[in-house]
Amino acid sequence: DAKTTQPNSMESNEEEPVHLPCNHSTISGTDYIHWYRQLPSQGPEYVIHGLTSNVNNRMASLAIAEDRKSSTLILHRATLRDAAVYYCILRTFTGNQFYFGTGTSLTVIP
Amino acid sequence: DAMVIQNPRYQVTQFGKPVTLSCSQTLNHNVMYWYQQKSSQAPKLLFHYYDKDFNNEADTPDNFQSRRPNTSFCFLDIRSPGLGDAAMYLCATSRVGDRAREAFFGQGTRLTVV
Repeated sequence: DAKTTQPNSMESNEEEPVHLPCNHSTISGTDYIHWYRQLPSQGPEYVIHGLTSNVNNRMASLAIAEDRKSSTLILHRATLRDAAVYYCILRTFTGNQFYFGTGTSLTVIP
Repeated sequence: DAMVIQNPRYQVTQFGKPVTLSCSQTLNHNVMYWYQQKSSQAPKLLFHYYDKDFNNEADTPDNFQSRRPNTSFCFLDIRSPGLGDAAMYLCATSRVGDRAREAFFGQGTRLTVV
């Protein structure tokens, strides 16, 4: 079901940039790349999404490889509130299913 | 303002006693999802509705049922909860027709089976 692979865990120092990688080698041309994060004891929340071009929003940036087989979520300055599990998910253009991979648990060190 | 609301946040039920979890949304989204999330695991999709069209995942146990009486509400029924059904249950919505189709999640209901 899940078509993405991510490292199980990563650490970052507070106020430093964090690059969270995701591999999706079986991505199809119409799949959107979504990122969500889940803070402890909360439901997942949307972070960012993209199709082909790099994307920026107030929370993060998304860098998508030219062949689209991988992407990287970039948090420009990690804060303690960014400690969460980050999920990279492929959304098909037509299908409604929404499957989570294992995600990356991010620890932010003060 | 909360857009996907799950009640209650915490639910304790007895082994084998039917329990219903509820979800409501103010987004008017046509797709609603139910996920089960056990400790330290990723959310696992149980089923979803596209309008009134019910779509069950192949490995969802028969013990889990769902109802969607209207666009705004969706219910998860566990007919005979076992100890292994203790988990966080998450409801989510998304909109077909939106190319991005981001999903919006509720805060979840944590189910304890005693």
